[in-house]
Amino acid sequence: ETGVTQSPTHLIKTRGQQVTLRCSSQSGHNTVSWYQQALGQGPQFIFQYYREEENGRGNFPPRFSGLQFPNYSSELNVNALELDDSALYLCASSLDGPDTQYFGPGTRLTVL
Amino acid sequence: AQSVAQPEDQVNVAEGNPLTVKCTYSVSGNPYLFWYVQYPNRGLQFLLKYITGDNLVKGSYGFEAEFNKSQTSFHLKKPSALVSDSALYFCAVSPPTSGTYKYIFGTGTRLKVLA
Repeated sequence: ETGVTQSPTHLIKTRGQQVTLRCSSQSGHNTVSWYQQALGQGPQFIFQYYREEENGRGNFPPRFSGLQFPNYSSELNVNALELDDSALYLCASSLDGPDTQYFGPGTRLTVL
Repeated sequence: AQSVAQPEDQVNVAEGNPLTVKCTYSVSGNPYLFWYVQYPNRGLQFLLKYITGDNLVKGSYGFEAEFNKSQTSFHLKKPSALVSDSALYFCAVSPPTSGTYKYIFGTGTRLKVLA
């Protein structure tokens, strides 16, 4: 059974640029959630996708957007990057409902 | 507002001693409760969860957690700490809503087990 994978591992961007982060969910999982973990903080919920539809969103602006594909992999897109977007971005996959979320290793984004 | 509190930024314990990492939450209804561990430069690793049933939940690597509904707490415990348990521990709560099963995380507690 393959776990959750994320790419890239690290990314450096400058303010105003756009970035796409990718996530492959664990085999058999149809739900993907994205979290932002700033340094020294707990992860904050960005949004969740269930069977290719957005299924809930946290307190993040519209420049944070996402997609889920038919194979349940997912992308997180961030437009007009700001310095405060520097963080570890975590993807988690799960099966239906309140199933345990299994996290990938994360993508460390640095915005200069 | 819904929230999770981990009142201790850091817990130090000697190897072989019991450890407790505290978590309290402010969420209405009957949320699902989780503990995760994070090693440096790694994602979150699932330890255990409480959904319903026995208040003492057993999980991975000898960890267990005690759910107390009246105190809205879900403390993580281990009878005998190992140096390899040193890591960052997060408590998470999933509120009972229709549809979105998001997690609300605490700020984390750094556990240091001293040899």
